[in-house]
Amino acid sequence: AQRVTQPEKLLSVFKGAPVELKCNYSYSGSPELFWYVQYSRQRLQLLLRHISRESIKGFTADLNKGETSFHLKKPFAQEEDSAMYYCALKPILTGGGNKLTFGTGTQLKVEL
Amino acid sequence: NAGVMQNPRHLVRRRGQEARLRCSPMKGHSHVYWYRQLPEEGLKFMVYLQKENIIDESGMPKERFSAEFPKEGPSILRIQQVVRGDSAAYFCASSPLGLGGNEQFFGPGTRLTVL
Repeated sequence: AQRVTQPEKLLSVFKGAPVELKCNYSYSGSPELFWYVQYSRQRLQLLLRHISRESIKGFTADLNKGETSFHLKKPFAQEEDSAMYYCALKPILTGGGNKLTFGTGTQLKVEL
Repeated sequence: NAGVMQNPRHLVRRRGQEARLRCSPMKGHSHVYWYRQLPEEGLKFMVYLQKENIIDESGMPKERFSAEFPKEGPSILRIQQVVRGDSAAYFCASSPLGLGGNEQFFGPGTRLTVL
């Protein structure tokens, strides 16, 4: 069984400060990791996925298999980054299996 | 493309009543997923459907819950004889294909309150 842990319910940073949202996972096979974001009054949307290895809105995340982590980072927080962030895992299985396992989420609050 | 649509957005039921939640996937998407979010918890997978087929229902409670995705019309998540513990946000997502690598697009959710 897979599990995703986000240890912080709330993370408060000042504008311009670095941000790191923690995500650890447990899964015996090969996982695909995602970060989803939910802005106020909006639906959940994909922010980035580890296989893309891209930076979205200044955010990056690197899959560390040794530490089983997929932390989300941004060097300088912006006010518009305030949102709920969910880390999610999907097994890479041949032949199907597309369900996502989510962490409990971290509320990021960027203060002026 | 209007995105994934869910209705109703809010649903109030008394204990023992039935709840029907609807999900219309994005145009061109033939795969639907239902997730439930209890208060203070993350989204938890319930069921994965393709048109007229249930592919994976490993997250679905064995009793009172059922889901369908007919050839025509929206996917329906049905909860019979609701109890207070069913109060949650229910999210639907859709993808064009079910194989790995396809993004799931989420609807706005239906918030069910059981009195």
